[in-house]
Amino acid sequence: QKEVEQNSGPLSVPEGAIASLNCTYSDRGSQSFFWYRQYSGKSPELIMFIYSNGDKEDGRFTAQLNKASQYVSLLIRDSQPSDSATYLCAVRQGGYNKLIFGAGTRLAVHP
Amino acid sequence: EPEVTQTPSHQVTQMGQEVILRCVPISNHLYFYWYRQILGQKVEFLVSFYNNEISEKSEIFDDQFSVERPDGSNFTLKIRSTKLEDSAMYFCASGLGLNTGELFFGEGSRLTVL
Repeated sequence: QKEVEQNSGPLSVPEGAIASLNCTYSDRGSQSFFWYRQYSGKSPELIMFIYSNGDKEDGRFTAQLNKASQYVSLLIRDSQPSDSATYLCAVRQGGYNKLIFGAGTRLAVHP
Repeated sequence: EPEVTQTPSHQVTQMGQEVILRCVPISNHLYFYWYRQILGQKVEFLVSFYNNEISEKSEIFDDQFSVERPDGSNFTLKIRSTKLEDSAMYFCASGLGLNTGELFFGEGSRLTVL
């Protein structure tokens, strides 16, 4: 069973701080990695994707990928209360874009 | 902005009844998916659909489940004889192509089986 693991949290950070969310995956052949945000009772919303080792920045978000360590992370700078949500790490497997999701990390940003 | 739409948003049914969940994917997308999320659990892959046929399915997607794209726009998930454990949020997703990778999710259909 190919797994995606995340710390369930909650991760609590003060407003304005950097939130760091981590994810590990077991399939060494995985090539594409995604971060989704899910508010309670809502659908997953794509934040970022990353395919290459290193960092990828988009606004306040930075995704980091280390394929040798099978590790993906998401940094959220200047965290806002509106960032409070569950963050889902997903790994693409197979030839038809099947995504395998982690259980998610709940982030709470307090004023 | 184009979006994936799903109906109904919530359906309550009796155990053993058939349900059909409907989805309208983004119009130029080619790949379609159903996922489900039992309350408090992770999002789980059910099935992918491309070129009018199932391309991959999970162990969850047994003979009680079927999908079809009857008219070139709608994409449906049918559960023939619902069980209590089918109660979940069902998400439809679509993607433009294999190389792009990103999937876009609908708002979900909550199924409650009594």
